[in-house]
Amino acid sequence: AQSVTQLGSHVSVSEGALVLLRCNYSSSVPPYLFWYVQYPNQGLQLLLKYTTGATLVKGINGFEAEFKKSETSFHLTKPSAHMSDAAEYFCAVSRAGGTSYGKLTFGQGTILTVHP
Amino acid sequence: NAGVTQTPKFRVLKTGQSMTLLCAQDMNHEYMYWYRQDPGMGLRLIHYSVGEGTTAKGEVPDGYNVSRLKKQNFLLGLESAAPSQTSVYFCASSTMDGGDTFGSGTRLTVV
Repeated sequence: AQSVTQLGSHVSVSEGALVLLRCNYSSSVPPYLFWYVQYPNQGLQLLLKYTTGATLVKGINGFEAEFKKSETSFHLTKPSAHMSDAAEYFCAVSRAGGTSYGKLTFGQGTILTVHP
Repeated sequence: NAGVTQTPKFRVLKTGQSMTLLCAQDMNHEYMYWYRQDPGMGLRLIHYSVGEGTTAKGEVPDGYNVSRLKKQNFLLGLESAAPSQTSVYFCASSTMDGGDTFGSGTRLTVV
């Protein structure tokens, strides 16, 4: 079975400060890892994903995440927060291979607040 | 290019009523999914499909049925709605390398 833990249900940063959203996963097989963003009353938008290859993954809107197998982590970062980054962020994991493509197990979500 | 389209966007049902949520995708994706989103619980997989004519249970399938008669459509049915099914429902589709594309959601209230 797979699981995802997002550390911190709410994170607050000042505009221009570093954004760090933490995600740890549990998986008995090589995982595929994802970060999604959800703005109020909207669907989820894929920020970035790790499947294979380079462990540092760059996504949209200046976000990036690093897959660390030894730490079972996939933390999301952005060097400088912008007011438009305020949203809820979800980390998700799926199994690599077979019919599990896209069957995502989500974390509980982290609400990011950006202060002026 | 519409991506994933869900209808309706909002619905209020009385306990015991039935309804069908429709999901349509125009990306020729093989895989389609129905999730529900509840506060503090993230999204949970209800049912999924790996191709036309196939469906399978996800994490929380009880009280729901699905059908995928055409590759581009994935229907979610509630035969007898219960207040516990009040939620926001999301449909998604994907290719084999994952990274679901989500619809904008259906907000369902059961009273």
